Amino acid sequence: EVQLVQSGAEVKKTGESLKISCKGSGYSFISYWIGWVRQMPGKGLEWMGIIYPDDSNTRYSPSFQGQVTISADKSIRTAYLQWSSLKASDTAMYYCARLVGTTVTPFDYWGQGTLVTVSS
Amino acid sequence: EIVLTQSPDTLSLSPGERATLSCRASQSISSSYLAWYQQKPGQAPRLLIYGASSRATGTPDRFSGSGSGTDFSLTISRLEPEDFAVYYCQQYGSSPRTFGQGTKVEI
Repeated sequence: EVQLVQSGAEVKKTGESLKISCKGSGYSFISYWIGWVRQMPGKGLEWMGIIYPDDSNTRYSPSFQGQVTISADKSIRTAYLQWSSLKASDTAMYYCARLVGTTVTPFDYWGQGTLVTVSS
Repeated sequence: EIVLTQSPDTLSLSPGERATLSCRASQSISSSYLAWYQQKPGQAPRLLIYGASSRATGTPDRFSGSGSGTDFSLTISRLEPEDFAVYYCQQYGSSPRTFGQGTKVEI
């Protein structure tokens, strides 16, 4: 069974750094792109970027380029989303999800989400 | 960037009724790279439709997608109680990938 299991909820202060994780199981982790999607409170979905774990090839949405870093450690089947300096506006639910196949495919499997709360 | 506009924002219907949701793109979406997702409160989204009209594994056949170019729709032929949720369209043919703002289907 394909599963993406995300790290737990985080409460941070503005200016702090953070790295959240997404561990894949039940499939060949290195063979599928993994992406991150933001959902701000009460709002819709925003595509942030994707990574190919085998070679760490990464693509970002222009809205998130330079704001976050997506990485992966294929040895432990885990993808990451990190911030170097959090803002209050980063408060959101973050989902990882797997692309069906190539980069021109939708997300088929999703993690349960990681709630990030940033306050001053 | 391709902007996806969904309508209506909210659809108020009863179980057994037919629901038709619209997704309009600001530019033509290549090769019908359009997907629909369902999201229930407190849950992650779930892929329903890809390629504009292909049902994902496990999607009931009361869900159907259609359209091409800039106009797409999702139809739920007869609403079941578990279908009341928010539905998002997404284009994955152009960068950056984008989602519509969502349509809430409520009782």
